[in-house]
Amino acid sequence: ETGVTQSPTHLIKTRGQQVTLRCSSQSGHNTVSWYQQALGQGPQFIFQYYREEENGRGNFPPRFSGLQFPNYSSELNVNALELDDSALYLCASSFVGTAYEQYFGPGTRLTVT
Amino acid sequence: KNEVEQSPQNLTAQEGEFITINCSYSVGISALHWLQQHPGGGIVSLFMLSSGKKKHGRLIATINIQEKHSSLHITASHPRDSAVYICAVNPNTGNQFYFGTGTSLTVIP
Repeated sequence: ETGVTQSPTHLIKTRGQQVTLRCSSQSGHNTVSWYQQALGQGPQFIFQYYREEENGRGNFPPRFSGLQFPNYSSELNVNALELDDSALYLCASSFVGTAYEQYFGPGTRLTVT
Repeated sequence: KNEVEQSPQNLTAQEGEFITINCSYSVGISALHWLQQHPGGGIVSLFMLSSGKKKHGRLIATINIQEKHSSLHITASHPRDSAVYICAVNPNTGNQFYFGTGTSLTVIP
């Protein structure tokens, strides 16, 4: 049973605004990855954090930024929201050294109007 | 070009049918994952494979590393199996997953 939680579950924002999404990792996990899933598409990798440092980034602009805290919880921040940012945002936690098994949270549905 | 391709994109089956979903990938990998996503978004990891075959209940996953191909089979399908099934791979280099676009399965009673 996954222990990854995300908040909020749903969010509506206006174009140009900023948003912060939160993820609480499964206990004992030190790595968190964020993904964007547009409707009808597979998830796309945004970035990964390991021990509070960014540890890899996908093809997303700098207005997508993140943080990982000492307790391994994480935030995804998106500035200057665009309509195309409307998507399901998923976080997944894992423990480096256990063969890449990731546990996904339920996601945050972001709608930009 | 997507590193991971799945087929079919959509699948409708009668309850009890045997179902196969296919996944092909183009990069060297260290592991392949089959994931299940129900309406509403939550993703559940079904299998992680690096070789051979795994079975869990009515679900069977196989992988052929040489052919860069994996299949997910569902025996005696049930309406509760209706979901999107996503194939994802860990490439040998880099930290990210590559995901397929998913197969939407509907099992009709």
